[in-house]
Amino acid sequence: AQSVTQPDIHITVSEGASLELRCNYSYGATPYLFWYVQSPGQGLQLLLKYFSGDTLVQGIKGFEAEFKRSQSSFNLRKPSVHWSDAAEYFCAVGAYGNTGKLIFGQGTTLQVKP
Amino acid sequence: AAGVIQSPRHLIKEKRETATLKCYPIPRHDTVYWYQQGPGQDPQFLISFYEKMQSDKGSIPDRFSAQQFSDYHSELNMSSLELGDSALYFCASSLGRGVSYEQYFGPGTRLTVT
Repeated sequence: AQSVTQPDIHITVSEGASLELRCNYSYGATPYLFWYVQSPGQGLQLLLKYFSGDTLVQGIKGFEAEFKRSQSSFNLRKPSVHWSDAAEYFCAVGAYGNTGKLIFGQGTTLQVKP
Repeated sequence: AAGVIQSPRHLIKEKRETATLKCYPIPRHDTVYWYQQGPGQDPQFLISFYEKMQSDKGSIPDRFSAQQFSDYHSELNMSSLELGDSALYFCASSLGRGVSYEQYFGPGTRLTVT
């Protein structure tokens, strides 16, 4: 069965510090992977995606993610966090059948300390 | 740039009442997805439409129905509302069916059932 796990429910980092949000997936073939960000009262915004090719993908707002097949992981990173990055982050995988259905992880809430 | 429009943004209903949520996709987008996000939970796929036909179906209760109209807007009809239906309902649209087409999410409709 397809699934996504985000082990960290809540993470707090200091502004300017580096960030890594973990995502593990379960999928029987090459997955289509996504990271979305949700600010309070807002819809989901796509940060980046991985379909194939280079395992290190760059996204918007200075985020990047690395696909590691051997670890079934797709961790999100940012070298220096800004206070405006405080939000909830969702990792997602495209479901079998390629109808566009997304399966989301439980989400990680990021808090940024000044 | 035009975004996905959802109406209403907030809705309060009583148990056993009916609710209708509307979604207006980005112009020229032919695919609409509906997701339900319970309090503190990840978004769960409900149903999707491509070119006015149902494309995929998730864990949508039989009390719910949805359709996509000739102008590509979509409506989610929810009857016999239960307390557990209280959630944020997202609509997303894309320019084509499949995960390779980026889904753009609306701000959501927050439904509260009392």
